[in-house]
Amino acid sequence: GQQVMQIPQYQHVQEGEDFTTYCNSSTTLSNIQWYKQRPGGHPVFLIQLVKSGEVKKQKRLTFQFGEAKKNSSLHITATQTTDVGTYFCADPKTSYDKVIFGPGTSLSVIP
Amino acid sequence: GAVVSQHPSRVICKSGTSVKIECRSLDFQATTMFWYRQFPKQSLMLMATSNEGSKATYEQGVEKDKFLINHASLTLSTLTVTSAHPEDSSFYICSAKPLQGSEQYFGPGTRLTVT
Repeated sequence: GQQVMQIPQYQHVQEGEDFTTYCNSSTTLSNIQWYKQRPGGHPVFLIQLVKSGEVKKQKRLTFQFGEAKKNSSLHITATQTTDVGTYFCADPKTSYDKVIFGPGTSLSVIP
Repeated sequence: GAVVSQHPSRVICKSGTSVKIECRSLDFQATTMFWYRQFPKQSLMLMATSNEGSKATYEQGVEKDKFLINHASLTLSTLTVTSAHPEDSSFYICSAKPLQGSEQYFGPGTRLTVT
């Protein structure tokens, strides 16, 4: 069946360094969503990408959808301690009205 | 806007008892709600899709007789863990999808501990 993978599983960075997490799907995605979950919290929707090659920015966060719509990335510039958490990519299977989450990348920021 | 609540936030129960978790969309209507479970340091695993007025759709491997889901109104879905055992201890999170749009809004989660 379809699998959504993310790398790395864990990332420790010094505050101010950049961070990137990569999401790969074994099948072509219609759309892709990104969520952030703070420690002890619940997932919070960040963004949805729809178009092939799409790039969207939210302040220090840059989201990219691959040309083949099988991969995506989230890049954080100059990390801050508030960026700590687990970042999940997710496949919103609109035809089945459900969202399948990737395994997530856990980010730790060392002050 | 788009607030989803869950009750209770934490529950400890004895093995063999049943626990009901409520998920409410406070300021929007949701024909569809989702139930996930999350083990420590792991991703969210979709358990079932709850549709208002109809039977829930369970993911493969999820026992429908153990995890009873009821979606009685456009703002409320309940998950009942029947005859709970220690291996059912987990973080249960619901989400709700508004009538318009593809975004899901998550509840704060319920941490279930079965002793």
